[in-house]
Amino acid sequence: AQSVSQHNHHVILSEAASLELGCNYSYGGTVNLFWYVQYPGQHLQLLLKYFSGDPLVKGIKGFEAEFIKSKFSFNLRKPSVQWSDTAEYFCAVNAASSASKIIFGSGTRLSIRP
Amino acid sequence: EAGVAQSPRYKIIEKRQSVAFWCNPISGHATLYWYQQILGQGPKLLIQFQNNGVVDDSQLPKDRFSAERLKGVDSTLKIQPAKLEDSAVYLCASSPSGTAYSGANVLTFGAGSRLTVL
Repeated sequence: AQSVSQHNHHVILSEAASLELGCNYSYGGTVNLFWYVQYPGQHLQLLLKYFSGDPLVKGIKGFEAEFIKSKFSFNLRKPSVQWSDTAEYFCAVNAASSASKIIFGSGTRLSIRP
Repeated sequence: EAGVAQSPRYKIIEKRQSVAFWCNPISGHATLYWYQQILGQGPKLLIQFQNNGVVDDSQLPKDRFSAERLKGVDSTLKIQPAKLEDSAVYLCASSPSGTAYSGANVLTFGAGSRLTVL
């Protein structure tokens, strides 16, 4: 069965600091990987996705993530965070088929000090 | 395009009462999902529909939860009778048909229905 682990439950950074949020998954086959974000008072929305090809994917608002197959990881990064990045971030995975269920991690709450 | 619509946004009930949530997905989206998100946790899939057929309901507590999507469009999720541990946000999401490369696995979420069971 698939599972997703996000080990950082709450991360606090100052503006302009660099960010890396960890995500590890367990599944032996080909996967699709996602990061979703929930800003305060807003819906969950897609930040970026990996289906195939270049393991370094870029998303909205300057975020990127790198798929490292050997480490079963899909960490989210941003070189310089802004106060507006304060949100909850969820990593998700599914087996690479259109009907496969999408499993979410427990989320990481990111707080940015202005 | 219009987003995923959910109602009600908030509901407070006593334990052992029943409640129903409604979801209208994005027009043309074949797949509809209900997730349960308990405070401090990630969304947990309850049920996944492909058109009006169930793809996965392995984590749906079938003794008290039921869901239907009769015409392959909107859906209702019912809880009867509710327990204290059902307090959560119930998220509906939808995705288009097709392959993963065409975005079939990219979910668009609604605002959620927050349930408090007293």
